[in-house]
Amino acid sequence: AQTVTQSQPEMSVQEAETVTLSCTYDTSESDYYLFWYKQPPSRQMILVIRQEAYKQQNATENRFSVNFQKAAKSFSLKISDSQLGDAAMYFCAYRSQGGSQGNLIFGKGTKLSVKP
Amino acid sequence: EPEVTQTPSHQVTQMGQEVILRCVPISNHLYFYWYRQILGQKVEFLVSFYNNEISEKSEIFDDQFSVERPDGSNFTLKIRSTKLEDSAMYFCASSLETGGSYEQYFGPGTRLTVT
Repeated sequence: AQTVTQSQPEMSVQEAETVTLSCTYDTSESDYYLFWYKQPPSRQMILVIRQEAYKQQNATENRFSVNFQKAAKSFSLKISDSQLGDAAMYFCAYRSQGGSQGNLIFGKGTKLSVKP
Repeated sequence: EPEVTQTPSHQVTQMGQEVILRCVPISNHLYFYWYRQILGQKVEFLVSFYNNEISEKSEIFDDQFSVERPDGSNFTLKIRSTKLEDSAMYFCASSLETGGSYEQYFGPGTRLTVT
């Protein structure tokens, strides 16, 4: 069974600085999808960025980028120029490829604080 | 922008009681999901639903749980006889397609407290 591990329960960053959130996963599959979701306080989870395992190029979305290391089974999230609105829980998630495998497998999350 | 909504935001119930958690997925979405998060633990998949039937379920989703889409807009999770260990945050999600890199859109969650 696949597992997702986020080893940093909490992280803190100064406004305008860069922070990297770690995520590792375990799978025997070769094709799969990885996601980072953000959950602001008392709000729903929203997708930040996604990565297809078959793509070598790291995904980027504005200030958010990932460092996808397939061999190491690592999928870290880098937030550049951190803003106060980035403060949230961040969840790393895995999805198997194929057919009806729609469910996401989540890590425990990292709580990010942004200091003004 | 369309959102997934969930009611109630907080539900308190006594052990052994039945609860129904309600969700309104995004209107043109076809796939629906329930997840739960026990305090301090991971978000865990419970069940997915498509075309008026369950397409996947986890080991957590035993006979005490059921899901239903009673009309064209609501998607419900019923727990027949709640246990203390059912206390958790329950998230509903929906998506236009399933699998692949398709995004699941999550609701804000219902906090269920079983006393």
